[in-house]
Amino acid sequence: AQSVAQPEDQVNVAEGNPLTVKCTYSVSGNPYLFWYVQYPNRGLQFLLKYITGDNLVKGSYGFEAEFNKSQTSFHLKKPSALVSDSALYFCAVRDPNSGGYQKVTFGTGTKLQVIP
Amino acid sequence: KAGVTQTPRYLIKTRGQQVTLSCSPISGHRSVSWYQQTPGQGLQFLFEYFSETQRNKGNFPGRFSGRQFSNSRSEMNVSTLELGDSALYLCASSSPWETSGYNEQFFGPGTRLTVL
Repeated sequence: AQSVAQPEDQVNVAEGNPLTVKCTYSVSGNPYLFWYVQYPNRGLQFLLKYITGDNLVKGSYGFEAEFNKSQTSFHLKKPSALVSDSALYFCAVRDPNSGGYQKVTFGTGTKLQVIP
Repeated sequence: KAGVTQTPRYLIKTRGQQVTLSCSPISGHRSVSWYQQTPGQGLQFLFEYFSETQRNKGNFPGRFSGRQFSNSRSEMNVSTLELGDSALYLCASSSPWETSGYNEQFFGPGTRLTVL
């Protein structure tokens, strides 16, 4: 069965500093990995995804993520945090090799707080 | 292109009642998924429909049901409401293609259900 873990409930970072939101996954084969962001009282918005190819994926709003197969990680990063980046971030995984059409599994979410 | 719409946005019900929530996906999208979001449990997958067929179901009791119409619009129904059903219910659409599991999901703003 596939699973995804976000080990930090909350991450605090000063504005202008680099940020990292961690995600690790468990699947039987090569995963499809996604990051989403949720602002208060809104639905989730897609940020970026890894399907295949280059391990460094660039997405919306200056975010990027690095796929590391050996560490089964897909950490979200941004070189310089903005106060407006404060939100809830979700990592998600789908295992395309587990047979059938598998649902997407979401992590528990990490609240990012960017301090002015 | 219009995004995913959900109606109603807010709903207050009492225990024992039933409720129907509606979701209109992005035009051309045939996959619709439903999620329950609560502070304690995070984002929990309810079910997914594709071309009017349920092809995945989460671990929810039979009180939770859904359907999809020929125009891809979807409804979910919760019968005999319990206090614990209070949550944000999110609908997401993706992919006009059956096997495109690598496509990201587009979320609606959600329906906030409060059960008194």
